[in-house]
Amino acid sequence: QVHLQESGPGLVKPSQTLSLTCTVSGGSITSSTHYWSWVRQPAGKGLEWIGRIYISGLTNYNPSLRGRVTISLDSSKNQFSLTLDSVTASDTAVYYCASYYYDDTSGLYYFDYWGQGTLVTVSS
Amino acid sequence: SDELTQPPSVSVSPGQTASITCSGDKLGDKYVCWYQKKAGQSPVVVIYQDNKRPSGVPERFSGSVSADTATLIISGTQAVDEADYYCQAWDTFTPVVFGGGTKLTVL
Repeated sequence: QVHLQESGPGLVKPSQTLSLTCTVSGGSITSSTHYWSWVRQPAGKGLEWIGRIYISGLTNYNPSLRGRVTISLDSSKNQFSLTLDSVTASDTAVYYCASYYYDDTSGLYYFDYWGQGTLVTVSS
Repeated sequence: SDELTQPPSVSVSPGQTASITCSGDKLGDKYVCWYQKKAGQSPVVVIYQDNKRPSGVPERFSGSVSADTATLIISGTQAVDEADYYCQAWDTFTPVVFGGGTKLTVL
């Protein structure tokens, strides 16, 4: 059973950088069948995909975040990380890390494991 | 990015069938997943590849896709099924797209 755990500051000041880390246990971040993703949910709103990274270093990001986001991976620690620059109050949300199963041959995909989520508040 | 459109809310009586739709351009050409999200909990996949149930998901959950609309069907809905449900697929520019979510009320 794969377990993901988010960690990082719960409070970030406007215009600063949000940084979160996800530690993966019970599975390897070098898996060839998984992308490692970040998803967020503002209070009272729906799920928003932020981006993902593959073991090769390939990244994909939500165009709506306009170049503010970076996802990186540290295979030696079995961790991946999120940084979001120039945050505003609208970035206040519960942030989830999740593993995304993807089979390139069949085109099959789904989020199979999620962290418990961590609330990040942007406020001065 | 292309949108996935869901009704904001659906109500159903216990024991009845709930249907939640998800509409999007050329959705029939893509696999659709459905996630259940309860307040304070992480999402859980209940349907993947349009109509497959992961192990542990009750048989009352099923899915179908026709043309540009995917449907999550919950037969014999129970109070424990009350949650928000999200569809997920992709579009040309974004590899992961979620629908806006549907609040299922069992009353």
